[in-house]
This record gives sequence, structure tokens and C-alpha cells, in this order.
Amino acid sequence: KNQVEQSPQSLIILEGKNCTLQCNYTVSPFSNLRWYKQDTGRGPVSLTIMTFSENTKSNGRYTATLDADTKQSSLHITASQLSDSASYICVVKGGATNKLIFGTGTLLAVQP
Amino acid sequence: EPEVTQTPSHQVTQMGQEVILRCVPISNHLYFYWYRQILGQKVEFLVSFYNNEISEKSEIFDDQFSVERPDGSNFTLKIRSTKLEDSAMYFCASDRGSKNIQYFGAGTRLSVL
Repeated sequence: KNQVEQSPQSLIILEGKNCTLQCNYTVSPFSNLRWYKQDTGRGPVSLTIMTFSENTKSNGRYTATLDADTKQSSLHITASQLSDSASYICVVKGGATNKLIFGTGTLLAVQP
Repeated sequence: EPEVTQTPSHQVTQMGQEVILRCVPISNHLYFYWYRQILGQKVEFLVSFYNNEISEKSEIFDDQFSVERPDGSNFTLKIRSTKLEDSAMYFCASDRGSKNIQYFGAGTRLSVL
């Protein structure tokens, strides 16, 4: 079954600290993997898109990695800010119908 | 920066009533989507639309749902006879193709009473 699992479910960090969020997927065939940031009550906003051949991609303080062999991805946030508090969603495009399959997200809270 | 706009932001309706959720995708995008997110749950795909027809739909998108692009700018989701379990946040999204960034609107919160 095509699934996307994320960990941890929630995370609290202090402002200025780094953190890493994890994503494991079982989607096959694989097209691409995306990380989204979703503020409470808002639509998801794209952070990165990675294809099979890409191992890492950065967007400002966000760096995503992809290991297509182990079907794992991570999102690293550097020097966290209060505005980073949000849900971070890993989404894999693939499967027999090549649609977006969403993870349940990691809820990040950055405290002063 | 271009954005996907959705109206209304919040829709309250009685069970059994019809609702139409409206979306204006980004103007040069070709693919349009509807998703829903039940409170506390993950985002779920409903339907994709390309070249004036449905290109794919999920098992959630049953006969109660329909989509339409009535003119060159709007993209609508109609729920014919709402049920309590239709209460959710509905997101519209658009992109230029499968390898491009998909832009989401802010969502319409549908409350069925």
C-alpha cells in the first residue's frame, strides 16, 4: 500500500536551534517528493521538490535530503525562528495513478 | 507573487443543501485540483482537472461531487447534497505540470450542520 509516514508527530524546540524532520515512504513507482509548510488554517506552501536523482535541495534555512534507495527523506531547519512554527508535510507523488500522497505531518512549535 | 484565491473562506450550510466552492487558479497554470482536510487529519486528494475535463479522481469524489471551469478563470467544486461528514477544509491548487510546484489556496472551511 502506498503510504507516507512522518516522525516525530510533534516537536518543540527553542528559537535559534536546528531540527530535523523525518519522512519514510512506500510509494511505488516514485515520481517526486515534496515538503510543504502549512500554517494553522492555511493552505500548504511548497518548500522543496526532489526527483529520484536529487539527494539534497535547499530553500533558505530549509534543506531536504532524499535517499531513494531506503525511501527516506528528511527536512532540516537551521536557526529556527518563531515563524517556523507550523505543520510540515511530506508528500510523495507516485503510485499507479501518479497522484500526491500526503503524510500526516510533523507539528513544529518554536518557542522563544 | 501569484496566488490561488478561494471564496468563501468559511461556508456554513445545512445538511442536504448544495454548496459551491469557488477558486481562481493562477492564470498560466493548466492543471487544477481539489483537496480536503478533515480537522486533525491529513490532506486528501479529491480530483484533478486538465483540458476541461477530470483527469483523475479519488474514491472520495463520488456522485455528490462535481467540478466545473465555467469560464477562463474560475474553477468550482459543487457538493450536491451535503452530509455532516463533508465538514472539512477544502483546498484548491494549481500547477503547470506534474514536475512543477503546486500552489494551494488558503482554503474554504465548510461546516455542515
